[in-house]
Amino acid sequence: EIVLTQSPGTLSLSPGERATLSCRASQSVSSSYLAWYQQKPGQAPRLLIYGASSRATGIPDRFSGSGSGTDFTLTISRLEPEDFAVYYCQQYGSSRSTFGQGTKLEIK
Amino acid sequence: QVQLVESGGGVVQPGGSLRLSCAASGFTFSSYGMHWVRQAPGKGLEWVAFIRYDGSNKYYADSVKGRFTISRDNSKNTLYLQMNSLRAEDTAVYYCAKDLATGGWFPLDYWGQGTLVTVSS
Repeated sequence: EIVLTQSPGTLSLSPGERATLSCRASQSVSSSYLAWYQQKPGQAPRLLIYGASSRATGIPDRFSGSGSGTDFTLTISRLEPEDFAVYYCQQYGSSRSTFGQGTKLEIK
Repeated sequence: QVQLVESGGGVVQPGGSLRLSCAASGFTFSSYGMHWVRQAPGKGLEWVAFIRYDGSNKYYADSVKGRFTISRDNSKNTLYLQMNSLRAEDTAVYYCAKDLATGGWFPLDYWGQGTLVTVSS
């Protein structure tokens, strides 16, 4: 099973700032089958990024993903008030998918 | 529009059983792989199980293998999760979700609102 470790656990930033979230895998993620999700309280997760760097339908271009192998990054270029939420990475390139433990992005 | 509606959650005693359902609409259900993902109260997401579009292959997390069974009825556009030998640590909101595309490994692009399962005596 591939273990995903996200850092930091909590990130405190202000609107307008840049956010950089990390996701590290215990082994290489095949074909960059790495996705990022956003979850707000009381809501289901929303797909943001897949294939490590492709934005899902309707996702603003301030969200971008990068990385390969074992190290992946989600960047939010300029934080909007609605971006404060919990973010999860997921690897889906094997028969047993796994999620990271999440990064909480909070308003400073 | 795509809709996924889970049902069947509730309170069950340890060792008991429960069957969750997920009614799908707004897309060709029989063409997409489907997943169950759970979230314990105040915790992160945990992938539980996946079934291919035609039910030919099923995969499970180690934590539920041998106790949970995923299945689907494409004629009814419905996904199921049969949960047996339930434990306190199975307490969670259970989401069903669909694959982004068909024919390989894909992320989850639509999710239901979730159904709460509480395992307690």
